[in-house]
Amino acid sequence: GAVVSQHPSRVICKSGTSVKIECRSLDFQATTMFWYRQFPKQSLMLMATSNEGSKATYEQGVEKDKFLINHASLTLSTLTVTSAHPEDSSFYICSATGTAAYEQYFGPGTRLTVT
Amino acid sequence: KQEVTQIPAALSVPEGENLVLNCSFTDSAIYNLQWFRQDPGKGLTSLLLIQSSQREQTSGRLNASLDKSSGRSTLYIAASQPGDSATYLCAVRNTGKLIFGQGTTLQVKP
Repeated sequence: GAVVSQHPSRVICKSGTSVKIECRSLDFQATTMFWYRQFPKQSLMLMATSNEGSKATYEQGVEKDKFLINHASLTLSTLTVTSAHPEDSSFYICSATGTAAYEQYFGPGTRLTVT
Repeated sequence: KQEVTQIPAALSVPEGENLVLNCSFTDSAIYNLQWFRQDPGKGLTSLLLIQSSQREQTSGRLNASLDKSSGRSTLYIAASQPGDSATYLCAVRNTGKLIFGQGTTLQVKP
């Protein structure tokens, strides 16, 4: 149980375009979802936290107009990187908690490359 | 502000050795602490979760300890195997967020 999926696993896009990443909880209802980014050989940095039906809470230094997060249902959250630039190239990982909020379950990650 | 530090950053050992990975955190008011494994280019696999009221957790060859008052946790791996080669991340939860350390990259040589 407690499986989180992400789609796509890899995406390459051109500079200036937007790309959407989906995060789904497959066998539980995710009351809260988190989005992280990870640069090579670095740790995970929390970007934002979202609760179903509410606006996301962004961490300091994360541009909310650039990284649009939608958590429209209890099983789906999306991260849209708008007007992507090469410096947005990174590994994006989502995670989710259910009613037992003490443990987070992580997705397999999405590798974004902006050319 | 919570800060999580892992030492060493990298470790290389021969197969069969027992080893210890260290994690320290600055704010002891944590809800729980979790150890993860990450293979290159992959997501995270949860290894062990220790609640703040617990001292240790064990799973197979892995044992994680928690000393909340001193802000330390260790991950002990017994009889290491080449398949244990990965990056190990420590993360603490407080104020509803998981804060990660930088990780320890482990290489176990056959």
